[in-house]
Amino acid sequence: TQLLEQSPQFLSIQEGENLTVYCNSSSVFSSLQWYRQEPGEGPVLLVTVVTGGEVKKLKRLTFQFGDARKDSSLHITAAQPGDTGLYLCAGRASVVSASKIIFGSGTRLSIRP
Amino acid sequence: EPEVTQTPSHQVTQMGQEVILRCVPISNHLYFYWYRQILGQKVEFLVSFYNNEISEKSEIFDDQFSVERPDGSNFTLKIRSTKLEDSAMYFCASSPWTSGTDTQYFGPGTRLTVL
Repeated sequence: TQLLEQSPQFLSIQEGENLTVYCNSSSVFSSLQWYRQEPGEGPVLLVTVVTGGEVKKLKRLTFQFGDARKDSSLHITAAQPGDTGLYLCAGRASVVSASKIIFGSGTRLSIRP
Repeated sequence: EPEVTQTPSHQVTQMGQEVILRCVPISNHLYFYWYRQILGQKVEFLVSFYNNEISEKSEIFDDQFSVERPDGSNFTLKIRSTKLEDSAMYFCASSPWTSGTDTQYFGPGTRLTVL
């Protein structure tokens, strides 16, 4: 069974600080997505990474896919209260079309003004 | 920007009743999915659908569940006889499957409450 473990589960930091969220597995994934989910809403896609070692930036958010495609990280620089939310990583194990993605349990981030 | 839409946003039903959850995927997408999220738990895969047939299903997707694409735009999930444990958020997703990658775009969800 493929699992994605996210850490930390909860993180509360002061506005302006930097933070990193981790997504780890013992399995290889063909691609990995990061989503953000607000209470009572669906996951909203932030980024997809496909190549081992790939780095993508989205304003103050930097996403990295591990070289072995088993792990990923999300780094936020100078966090703002608007970054507060639940961040989910989700991996796609198979390259077969229409295959499922597996979600991590999420990191709940709270940025204090 | 095109979005996946779902109706209703909230469905309350009695145990044993049938429910149909509806989704309109993004128009040029070819692959469709249903996931569910029980309160406080992970998002879990239920089923994927392509070319008018199920591609993959999880152990959760038993004989009580079925999916259909009745026309060119809608994608439905039917639960024939709901149980208390079916209470969850149900998310529809769609994907274009471009260049060997598969980013899935999620709808806002239907909150199903079984009493």
